[in-house]
Amino acid sequence: DIVMTQSPDSLAVSLGERATINCKSSQSILYSSNNKNYLAWYQQRPGQPPQLLIYWASTRESGVPDRFSGSGSGTDFTLTISSLQAEDVAVYYCQQYYLTPYTFGQGTKLEIK
Amino acid sequence: EVQVVESGGDLVQPGGSLKLSCAASGFNFSGFAMHWVRQAPGKGLEWVGHIRSKSNNYGTAYAASVKGRFIFSRDDSKNTAYLQMNSLKIEDTAVYYCTDGDYAYWGQGTLVTVSS
Repeated sequence: DIVMTQSPDSLAVSLGERATINCKSSQSILYSSNNKNYLAWYQQRPGQPPQLLIYWASTRESGVPDRFSGSGSGTDFTLTISSLQAEDVAVYYCQQYYLTPYTFGQGTKLEIK
Repeated sequence: EVQVVESGGDLVQPGGSLKLSCAASGFNFSGFAMHWVRQAPGKGLEWVGHIRSKSNNYGTAYAASVKGRFIFSRDDSKNTAYLQMNSLKIEDTAVYYCTDGDYAYWGQGTLVTVSS
């Protein structure tokens, strides 16, 4: 199985500041034939189901604010929130969908400093 | 408007069985795989598996933790996916979510509690 490891486990950032969450896969999730990274990011607010933010590592889902961006390739990926808002308090997960089982990272809890 | 609604969660004894339903509307259900994801209380997300569309022969894939005990099915005429859970274990206690093949649409989940 592909193991997804996120860092840090928790993060406190001031309002308006940048938040960065990292995700590392145990093997490359870049499919060479289409040059796509099979990596998604989700936000889960307390008591809510997960919400898709980013897919193909860097494509923002419709309706997601542009302060959210994804980057990276191969085995190393980053989710960046450029200017933290109060409503961004949540747990963030990465997931690979390159090979089944489509494993998730352990989650990163983002709080306001 | 897209809706995904899970149902069927309940309290069940270890070794018991339960069948969850996932009713979808507002998108082309028959053209998409349907995934199941679970979340144990206070824990992270775990991919349980998926059932693909008819055009992909209703192929299924399961997490190792549930393989041989859980069975996915779907009724495209009812826009509904199902999760048959057998030989339930205490560690299967979780909120079970279903989501479409692109993970764009999620239900609110249904709670399964396995306890004696």
